[in-house]
Amino acid sequence: DSGVTQTPKHLITATGQRVTLRCSPRSGDLSVYWYQQSLDQGLQFLIQYYNGEERAKGNILERFSAQQFPDLHSELNLSSLELGDSALYFCASSVAVGQPQHFGDGTRLSIL
Amino acid sequence: EDQVTQSPEALRLQEGESSSLNCSYTVSGLRGLFWYRQDPGKGPEFLFTLYSAGEEKEKERLKATLTKKESFLHITAPKPEDSATYLCAVGGGDYKLSFGAGTTVTVRA
Repeated sequence: DSGVTQTPKHLITATGQRVTLRCSPRSGDLSVYWYQQSLDQGLQFLIQYYNGEERAKGNILERFSAQQFPDLHSELNLSSLELGDSALYFCASSVAVGQPQHFGDGTRLSIL
Repeated sequence: EDQVTQSPEALRLQEGESSSLNCSYTVSGLRGLFWYRQDPGKGPEFLFTLYSAGEEKEKERLKATLTKKESFLHITAPKPEDSATYLCAVGGGDYKLSFGAGTTVTVRA
């Protein structure tokens, strides 16, 4: 158990809809990261927050947004969903930037 | 742009048959090279961090080494429970992690 909690585990929705994925980091970790994992792309970095502030952006679409709250949990919002957004979405946390990241077990998003 | 290439894509081993996985990388200012293990339906599990060429880390049957251009993950006398996908990632100057596609290891009893 990594200590990183992601909910929900599975999400099935339709094209055009909006969903919110939630992540609770390990106790004491200030950095939160979001990744997308699909069969053809592997693990792709989306965005990073540190203590509530956005620190780095990767290949995140404009339809996607995220935030980190004062209690350090984070949410990833995906809107105007397309079939190609079907993937596993992972959250990771670390005590500080540059330190090992510890991953949750992901949310599997299926778009019908 | 940071790049990570892992080989082979898949590795089938007999129990006790030692082997090595390769991770080649190009990065602007290496801040760390990370090895993870991922089981089906689970998130990546952290194994090792290597920071400079010549560094080695060991954990049970796994040993990771680092040079200026590549890293190796050696699996000594593997057991079926070592079957998993092993991921390599590099952290560059901006600390973002770039992952390789992984090597899927299957160990037969």
